[in-house]
Amino acid sequence: NAGVMQNPRHLVRRRGQEARLRCSPMKGHSHVYWYRQLPEEGLKFMVYLQKENIIDESGMPKERFSAEFPKEGPSILRIQQVVRGDSAAYFCASSPFSGGQTDTQYFGPGTRLTVL
Amino acid sequence: AQSVTQLDSHVSVSEGTPVLLRCNYSSSYSPSLFWYVQHPNKGLQLLLKYTSAATLVKGINGFEAEFKKSETSFHLTKPSAHMSDAAEYFCVVSDGSGYSSLTFGKGTMLLVSP
Repeated sequence: NAGVMQNPRHLVRRRGQEARLRCSPMKGHSHVYWYRQLPEEGLKFMVYLQKENIIDESGMPKERFSAEFPKEGPSILRIQQVVRGDSAAYFCASSPFSGGQTDTQYFGPGTRLTVL
Repeated sequence: AQSVTQLDSHVSVSEGTPVLLRCNYSSSYSPSLFWYVQHPNKGLQLLLKYTSAATLVKGINGFEAEFKKSETSFHLTKPSAHMSDAAEYFCVVSDGSGYSSLTFGKGTMLLVSP
């Protein structure tokens, strides 16, 4: 059973460009979470999605950031007009969500975004 | 609201000696608590999980943690450190009220010397 897949593993963008980060959850998991890890800090929650629905985006910056999890295909975290402060490691996690109790979230290897 | 405090940013031990990584939490509900490990440039791996069953939780690679409600603590221990344990460790809380986002501590870097 393949784990959570993220690509690319490393992404370099110039200021003002767009960054697209992809996440394929574990087989059978229909819940996806995105986190950002800035240097010297723990992971910060950004957004929680189910298929075709954004459930909680309380951690997403109000501008330039968006996320989707279409019916088919991976979840996408999109950052428009990137700035140097967006440089970070972005982690995706997935869970099966059995309901009634918080599921374990399984993490992908992350995408390390560098903005020049 | 929930929060996690990892009391040490760095812990240094010698190989073969015990490991103690400290974590205190606060939560409005009965929490679920986790420890994750992150090796350099890798993703996070779940070490163990507490979800209101036994208060002493055994995880992978010889690690265990004890949930102490009176002390709001969830410290991670291992009797004998191995060089391969050198990594960053995150204590994580979820408020257990259905789905919820995870709240991470800032991490403790474990250094193991020969």
